[in-house]
Amino acid sequence: GQQVMQIPQYQHVQEGEDFTTYCNSSTTLSNIQWYKQRPGGHPVFLIQLVKSGEVKKQKRLTFQFGEAKKNSSLHITATQTTDVGTYFCAVFHGSSNTGKLIFGQGTTLQVKP
Amino acid sequence: DTEVTQTPKHLVMGMTNKKSLKCEQHMGHRAMYWYKQKAKKPPELMFVYSYEKLSINESVPSRFSPECPNSSLLNLHLHALQPEDSALYLCASSQGSPGGYTFGSGTRLTVV
Repeated sequence: GQQVMQIPQYQHVQEGEDFTTYCNSSTTLSNIQWYKQRPGGHPVFLIQLVKSGEVKKQKRLTFQFGEAKKNSSLHITATQTTDVGTYFCAVFHGSSNTGKLIFGQGTTLQVKP
Repeated sequence: DTEVTQTPKHLVMGMTNKKSLKCEQHMGHRAMYWYKQKAKKPPELMFVYSYEKLSINESVPSRFSPECPNSSLLNLHLHALQPEDSALYLCASSQGSPGGYTFGSGTRLTVV
């Protein structure tokens, strides 16, 4: 199945600094999703990207899907302590209701106030 | 209702016990999932149900037995678990096609 490598594994930033996490695949992806999991919490869906070169924004979060659809990134501008958590990319493969969502290893973000 | 509800939130069980985890959603989602998550690891898919039928079993040991009584409910029956089965068990649902998954808050299971 389609596997994604996610880097970095951990990132510590000072509040106000920017943060980026990357997902890379050796094969072309049909789609990629991003989730956030707060400490002690559960994954929460952020966004799905399906088009080559797609860029989507949610306030301070910017999501990109590469032109070749082999990589994706999540960029947070001016981090806040509320951004703390683990960010996962995930790839869905298979058919509509019988496919499966496979997660990358995640990037854990710590923000120092 | 835009939630997936899981009960119980915490469960401690012995290796000879039988217990069940429950999951409920009322969003009309036709696909439901069980994931297992160990500390500092990503969620790992266990089972996929589509239209109340089991469509994917990711080679999960038979001591885990899923059940989908109707389109809103998903159970995971546990029997003769091992301490290494201690983890956060997450239920999720989706509309398919694909779209984002809605996860429940999970059951934190400890096997003693």
